[in-house]
Amino acid sequence: DAGVIQSPRHEVTEMGQEVTLRCKPISGHDYLFWYRQTMMRGLELLIYFNNNVPIDDSGMPEDRFSAKMPNASFSTLKIQPSEPRDSAVYFCASSFGRPGTTDTQYFGPGTRLTVL
Amino acid sequence: AQKITQTQPGMFVQEKEAVTLDCTYDTSDQSYGLFWYKQPSSGEMIFLIYQGSYDEQNATEGRYSLNFQKARKSANLVISASQLGDSAMYFCAMRDLYSTLTFGKGTMLLVSP
Repeated sequence: DAGVIQSPRHEVTEMGQEVTLRCKPISGHDYLFWYRQTMMRGLELLIYFNNNVPIDDSGMPEDRFSAKMPNASFSTLKIQPSEPRDSAVYFCASSFGRPGTTDTQYFGPGTRLTVL
Repeated sequence: AQKITQTQPGMFVQEKEAVTLDCTYDTSDQSYGLFWYKQPSSGEMIFLIYQGSYDEQNATEGRYSLNFQKARKSANLVISASQLGDSAMYFCAMRDLYSTLTFGKGTMLLVSP
């Protein structure tokens, strides 16, 4: 079975540009999570969805960040406009079942974003 | 709020030896789950092992075992017979009943020949 798929794997852009990160969760999983990893702050949850509905976006750093999940097999994380401090690795993860149960989150390979 | 503490920034072990990576956690909930993930230099996050707070037996998955001491709020990862491919960053994470994963800062493990 395919795991979580993310694209692109690497993105280099200039400050002020719009960036769109994409994620395809594992088929059948009804929870999707977006994380950001930096050296300074470690792994942080940005937002998560249940059945395509955003449940908790308290981790989204600013209004420049937005996320959507138009259907069960696709989600996007958009940064507009991007800034150098947004440079990080962005992970998408998915799981089956309600958070807080035994269900494990499986991570995609990540997108390494560099904003110049 | 949940908190995960990994006090070892780096650990060194020789091939074929066992190593223990420490993890302590803080939560006021009775029901929670503890996870370990491996992040090799390639960057992906690989799930290793899970322990539920009500599980009486320590979890094991191949060469990985979780030394769960509930009263001490610790969930140490034990890797037996280390291999060169075990060199990676290891993250401990906790999920309680109504929240998502909280990660520790990680421990970098280096396995030498």
